[in-house]
Amino acid sequence: RKEVEQDPGPFNVPEGATVAFNCTYSNSASQSFFWYRQDCRKEPKLLMSVYSSGNEDGRFTAQLNRASQYISLLIRDSKLSDSATYLCVVTIESRGGYQKVTFGTGTKLQVIP
Amino acid sequence: ETGVTQTPRHLVMGMTNKKSLKCEQHLGHNAMYWYKQSAKKPLELMFVYSLEERVENNSVPSRFSPECPNSSHLFLHLHTLQPEDSALYLCASSQDLAGGLLTDTQYFGPGTRLTVL
Repeated sequence: RKEVEQDPGPFNVPEGATVAFNCTYSNSASQSFFWYRQDCRKEPKLLMSVYSSGNEDGRFTAQLNRASQYISLLIRDSKLSDSATYLCVVTIESRGGYQKVTFGTGTKLQVIP
Repeated sequence: ETGVTQTPRHLVMGMTNKKSLKCEQHLGHNAMYWYKQSAKKPLELMFVYSLEERVENNSVPSRFSPECPNSSHLFLHLHTLQPEDSALYLCASSQDLAGGLLTDTQYFGPGTRLTVL
């Protein structure tokens, strides 16, 4: 089983739609969780951190389910500018006490006019 | 505007060449990373440096040789590469390696797109 798994998509949704992505992780000892956004031929950029209590930033809501070992990202009222690849990132404490970072393959979102 | 810069942005090299990728971070961070991003594959962590000391080497072939002369600069020296090494090489930095959620955020440079002929 992969350490971090995402549906690669693409998810093609019309403007204004609500879309949700899930990401599963295999190691129950994983500690920190993030969603990054990567535009075509650009570097990844942090979209939001994911907390146990869930967090919301405008149209974006992230949730963590430790029992089922997945995180989710919900995008409401999709905009054309939301078209990108969304990367799930999971960290776990590695030997030496530092955080090992693992990225998912990403989920591609295409918002259609 | 990114606080992490990488040069060159594009590099084409033959299998017998020797070249170096450079990364510089202007964020005052203590940790720096090299990642490889190939098509349809997840970002692969290659090397991790903390306070100029290498703390992780994810079974990377010896034809990739990192160097971290100070906490702001990171190099990746390349020699006798293979065509399958063609990829986007991303540098990232974070405040620290360990710590709370906020210190785990990684900031990425724009990457060097490497083509090995």
